[in-house]
Parts: sequence; C-alpha cells; structure tokens
Amino acid sequence: EVQLLESGGDLVQPGGSLRLSCAASGGTFSSYSMTWVRQAPGKGLDWVSSIYGSGVNTYYADSVKGRFTISRDNSKNTLYMQMNSLRADDTAIYYCAKGSCNNGVCSLDYWGQGTLVTVSS
Amino acid sequence: DIVMTQTPLSSPVTLGQSASISCRSSQSLVHSNGNTYLSWLQQRPGQPPRLLIYKISNRFSGVPDRFSGSGAGTDFTLKISRVEAEDVGIYYCMQATQFPPTFGGGTKVEI
Repeated sequence: EVQLLESGGDLVQPGGSLRLSCAASGGTFSSYSMTWVRQAPGKGLDWVSSIYGSGVNTYYADSVKGRFTISRDNSKNTLYMQMNSLRADDTAIYYCAKGSCNNGVCSLDYWGQGTLVTVSS
Repeated sequence: DIVMTQTPLSSPVTLGQSASISCRSSQSLVHSNGNTYLSWLQQRPGQPPRLLIYKISNRFSGVPDRFSGSGAGTDFTLKISRVEAEDVGIYYCMQATQFPPTFGGGTKVEI
C-alpha cells in the first residue's frame, strides 16, 4: 500500500510563493504518475497538475499554467509543486494523489491527507 | 474540457436502503486504448477523497461489495446497497480519459 504525506502549506501574501512536497512510501515511485488536486473551502475537487512517472511529461490546469511547476525526484520518492504569483483564489487544501498508470492518470488510487494553502494579506 | 454532471446534488437515504448516483459526461469516455477511465471517489467529512471504483465497475482494494458501478459511454451510475452510517459523505465521479481530468460537482449522501 502506498502512503502519501504532503507538507509545505502555509499562510502567504498575494503574489508570494510556496513549495509543496509530497513524500511517498510503498510501491515503486517512478512507476506511476502523480497528481495535485485542490479543494477550496466548502467546494468540490479541482485538478491542478499531473506528472508522469519519468518526470518528463507534465500537465497543468489553465488556472495555474505559468505560475505553478510540478516536478518529482524519483530518487527521493518525492513530488513537488512550486507555486509562484499566488492569488486569493489559490486558497485551498492541496492533495497529492497517486495515479494508477505510469503514462497517464487513469485513476487516483491513493491520496494524501492534504496541506492547506491560504493566500491572504 | 469534458464536463461531468452528477445528479442528484443531495441524496437523503435510510439506513439499510439503497442509493444511486448518476454521472453524465459531455463526451464519450472511451479511450483510444479501449478502456473507460471513469472512477468514483468518496469523501467522508473532514477526510481526503478515497477511491471506490475505477474503470466504471472495478472495486478498489478494501471497498465493500455494497458499492457497485455501472454504465458505458457517457452515462454512469454508482449504487450503494444497504447504506450504513459510515457511507455519509460526498461522492464524486472523475474522468481521466482525456486531459484535463475532471470531476463531477459531487453528491452529498446523508442519513
């Protein structure tokens, strides 16, 4: 069974930056894709970004393209999200989730507990 | 983007009875490889989402057989038989056939 643990969420001012991390244990990290999903307070689930197992292929929601960068270090079993130019509407719980495929999302079969990002002055 | 529409928004249920949730996609979810990447997730209050069903009808590890999925193409259903108190929460359908992956708006199941 795969376990995922996010960290890095914080209160940040508009225009600021944060780096989220997601440490994975169990399974072979490089053999599956990883995804960030966010959930604004009281709202539904919103896909943010995905990265394939090799780390070469990355995908972003239009709302974060050019501001967020997803990456992974397969030697450290860790997923990252560099978040720049943060805006109030980026406020959400950010979940990392494991994809069931290497070159595709397919389904999100394991989820972390989430880390809260609050963008406010 | 593929739009996922769930109905109903809320589903009051009686313990021991059944509940059904519908999910409709704006385009066919059949991938070029023949698979249909439609999954169902459960989010209990204060918890992260949890995968229940993948590829329309396959129960994920540890998911009780009270949960079943069906459908094809653009119309899908999650059925919860013999609802228990622990089933309270919000249920989401999700498609990953085409980027970007998209979620339904959620259905709240309450006793």
